[in-house]
Amino acid sequence: DAGVIQSPRHEVTEMGQEVTLRCKPISGHNSLFWYRQTMMRGLELLIYFNNNVPIDDSGMPEDRFSAKMPNASFSTLKIQPSEPRDSAVYFCASRLWLAGANTGELFFGEGSRLTVL
Amino acid sequence: AQSVTQPDIHITVSEGASLELRCNYSYGATPYLFWYVQSPGQGLQLLLKYFSGDTLVQGIKGFEAEFKRSQSSFNLRKPSVHWSDAAEYFCAVGAGNTDKLIFGTGTRLQVFP
Repeated sequence: DAGVIQSPRHEVTEMGQEVTLRCKPISGHNSLFWYRQTMMRGLELLIYFNNNVPIDDSGMPEDRFSAKMPNASFSTLKIQPSEPRDSAVYFCASRLWLAGANTGELFFGEGSRLTVL
Repeated sequence: AQSVTQPDIHITVSEGASLELRCNYSYGATPYLFWYVQSPGQGLQLLLKYFSGDTLVQGIKGFEAEFKRSQSSFNLRKPSVHWSDAAEYFCAVGAGNTDKLIFGTGTRLQVFP
């Protein structure tokens, strides 16, 4: 069975460039999360979607970050323009969401390691 | 809002020794609690979870955790650690009135032969 698929696995870019990270959730899952992991701040929740609708984006650092989920099988996280402090591992995770029950297991992708020079 | 604290950044144990990783949470009602493990270069994998009922929950790989409401804790334990358990461990808390899942900062476990 395919798990959560993220691409690219590694990205090295220069400051000011646009970065797009992609995520394909597990088929049948209707809730998708984007997390950022750094040594200093650990795992930070950036944004999550239920049924393709953004529910809470309060963790998005600033306007340079944007996320979309045009359909149930695809999501993107875009950084424009990128800065060195954006260097981190970005994880996408999905789960089956039932309204009023925050109990579903999150399944994580292997992450996208971003380095901004 | 819910939050979770893992007081130990790094723990080192000998293979065969027992293990306890600490997790404290903050939330007004009964939380949903999880432990995840992350191997180097990998995503996170669920070890176990607590929603209600028996406060001692069993997970994969021989791990267990105990929910103690009076102490706001959900510590992870294993009676005998194997070298393959070396990884980073994350405690996470969810709440019934929100879909957020908030993670602690993690505890890195090192196992010596």
